[in-house]
Amino acid sequence: DIVMTQSPDSLAVSLGERATINCKSSQSVLYSSNNWNYLAWYQQKPGQPPKLLIYWASTRESGVPDRFSGSGSGTDFTLTISSLQAEDVAVYYCHQYYSMPQTFGQGTKLEIK
Amino acid sequence: EVQLLESGGGLVQPGGSLRLSCAASGFTFSSYAMNWVRQAPGKGLEWVSLIYAGGSDTHYADSVKGRFTISRDNSKNTLYLQMNGLRAEDTAIYYCAKGASTVKSWFDSWGQGTLVTVSS
Repeated sequence: DIVMTQSPDSLAVSLGERATINCKSSQSVLYSSNNWNYLAWYQQKPGQPPKLLIYWASTRESGVPDRFSGSGSGTDFTLTISSLQAEDVAVYYCHQYYSMPQTFGQGTKLEIK
Repeated sequence: EVQLLESGGGLVQPGGSLRLSCAASGFTFSSYAMNWVRQAPGKGLEWVSLIYAGGSDTHYADSVKGRFTISRDNSKNTLYLQMNGLRAEDTAIYYCAKGASTVKSWFDSWGQGTLVTVSS
């Protein structure tokens, strides 16, 4: 199984500042035949289901604010929120869909400093 | 608008069974793979099972293999999860999640979830 490890487990950032969440996979999720990284990011607010933010490691889902961006390739990935807003307080998860079983990172809790 | 409405959760004793349903609307159900993802109280997300669009291929997490069965009725736009031999560690909110393609992919829409509690 591919193990997804996020860092940090929790993060406190001031409003308007940059937030960076990392995700590392135990093996590459880059499919060589198409050069796509099988990696997605989700946001989960308290009492709500997760919401898709990013897929293919860097493609923003329709309707997601452009302050959210994804980067990385192979085994190392980053979710960046360029200017933190109050409504961004949530837990963020990375997810690999490269191989079965699909796996999630443990989550990163983002709070306002 | 995509809507996914789970039902069937509840309190069940260890060793018991439950059948979850997910009624889908707002998209062509038969064209997309569907998943179940669960979240234990206060914990992270765990993928449980996937069924491809046509229903012929299914996949399971090791933790539920042999106990849970995923299925779909494309004529009724409904996804199911038959859960047998339930254990305390199966206690969780179970989410129905739509895939973005006919096969494995990211999850682009989620239901609100249904709570399954396994306890005596």
